[in-house]
Amino acid sequence: GESVGLHLPTLSVQEGDNSIINCAYSNSASDYFIWYKQESGKGPQFIIDIRSNMDKRQGQRVTVLLNKTVKHLSLQIAATQPGDSAVYFCAENSPQAGTALIFGKGTTLSVSS
Amino acid sequence: GAGVSQSPRYKVAKRGQDVALRCDPISGHVSLFWYQQALGQGPEFLTYFQNEAQLDKSGLPSDRFFAERPEGSVSTLKIQRTQQEDSAVYLCASGPRRADTIYFGEGSWLTVV
Repeated sequence: GESVGLHLPTLSVQEGDNSIINCAYSNSASDYFIWYKQESGKGPQFIIDIRSNMDKRQGQRVTVLLNKTVKHLSLQIAATQPGDSAVYFCAENSPQAGTALIFGKGTTLSVSS
Repeated sequence: GAGVSQSPRYKVAKRGQDVALRCDPISGHVSLFWYQQALGQGPEFLTYFQNEAQLDKSGLPSDRFFAERPEGSVSTLKIQRTQQEDSAVYLCASGPRRADTIYFGEGSWLTVV
């Protein structure tokens, strides 16, 4: 089975709200995590990453939080915009997976204005 | 170009035909990955190259799938005797030396009829 998964398949928010997308992973040995955004008809686009020696990392309008105790990863998007509408995937790099990133199923974020 | 380039973007193949999908990675990137993405799912790992060496092909679903990267740059994913279950988006990604972040192309959409 998959070692990375998301709590909710869909999330609907209003423009301007903050969005939180969650991801649970099962492999405690995973040491690197990435969030990707995938718009319809396009390839996954890198958003932000975090290594296991950190618990928080901030980018432009996005923050990733890592809770290794409960093996939980979240992506926070501030002031969500219609252009943020997409499918969001978390991915992990696990020693068992070698060099490959393992992806979850994704959360579809819909932003209404 | 600046990003990963894939061709063709769209391919319709009759069942039993052979197809070849091309990937031009970001210039200078050592690592190259192929992923398969079914509709509504996250990308699934197929194979990994470091320069011209195929170091991991554990994700290739059958011996009908073959990938090569003879000069350590452009890669081709070949699918022989295509079947309907091969219909998916085939994503190529590349990454710099000794880094975990990988950057995806727009994908090749394969439909087998």
